[in-house]
Amino acid sequence: GQNIDQPTEMTATEGAIVQINCTYQTSGFNGLFWYQQHAGEAPTFLSYNVLDGLEEKGRFSSFLSRSKGYSYLLLKELQMKDSASYLCAALLSGAGSYQLTFGKGTKLSVIP
Amino acid sequence: EADIYQTPRYLVIGTGKKITLECSQTMGHDKMYWYQQDPGMELHLIHYSYGVNSTEKGDLSSESTVSRIRTEHFPLTLESARPSHTSQYLCASSEPERGGPSRLTDTQYFGPGTRLTVL
Repeated sequence: GQNIDQPTEMTATEGAIVQINCTYQTSGFNGLFWYQQHAGEAPTFLSYNVLDGLEEKGRFSSFLSRSKGYSYLLLKELQMKDSASYLCAALLSGAGSYQLTFGKGTKLSVIP
Repeated sequence: EADIYQTPRYLVIGTGKKITLECSQTMGHDKMYWYQQDPGMELHLIHYSYGVNSTEKGDLSSESTVSRIRTEHFPLTLESARPSHTSQYLCASSEPERGGPSRLTDTQYFGPGTRLTVL
């Protein structure tokens, strides 16, 4: 079966750096998404990695290692508004179609 | 910014009522999805569509039904609502893009969600 794991909760201090890890055991892997979801709101797209390495986008960076089945989302210069759930999702292919499979999400709390 | 809309945003109804949750997107995406999410819990795919007249059930069993008569419209219907249907329902759409031989992406854009409460 498809399995995506990420920590349930994390806490970090405003201005600090936090790394949210995601590991996956899947078949038909094409790439890995990170979404941000504030409480009671819809997920919004943050990043997509298909090749190994680090992709940087402002304060957020995402890393992928396909051989290790591992990704992380790095948030720098944390702000209070970064308090949200961060969803790791794998794009999987099979039977001629593509599906996005989500992890359970990591709830990040940023404290002063 | 994605253009995907859901109505109503909030709905409180009594048990046994028939309801339809609306979802529309103006991006011309072929693929559309319905997810169910309880507070603080993960997203569960309940229905998806790869185009007009195509509908499939997702990973989570659901008593709801969907239809896809037009590309832009993907409504979800509950024939007889029950308290166990109380949840947030999120609609999404996507269009696969191939940016190169190794780069396939299929970013899903989400609507604002409908928070359903069945009394």
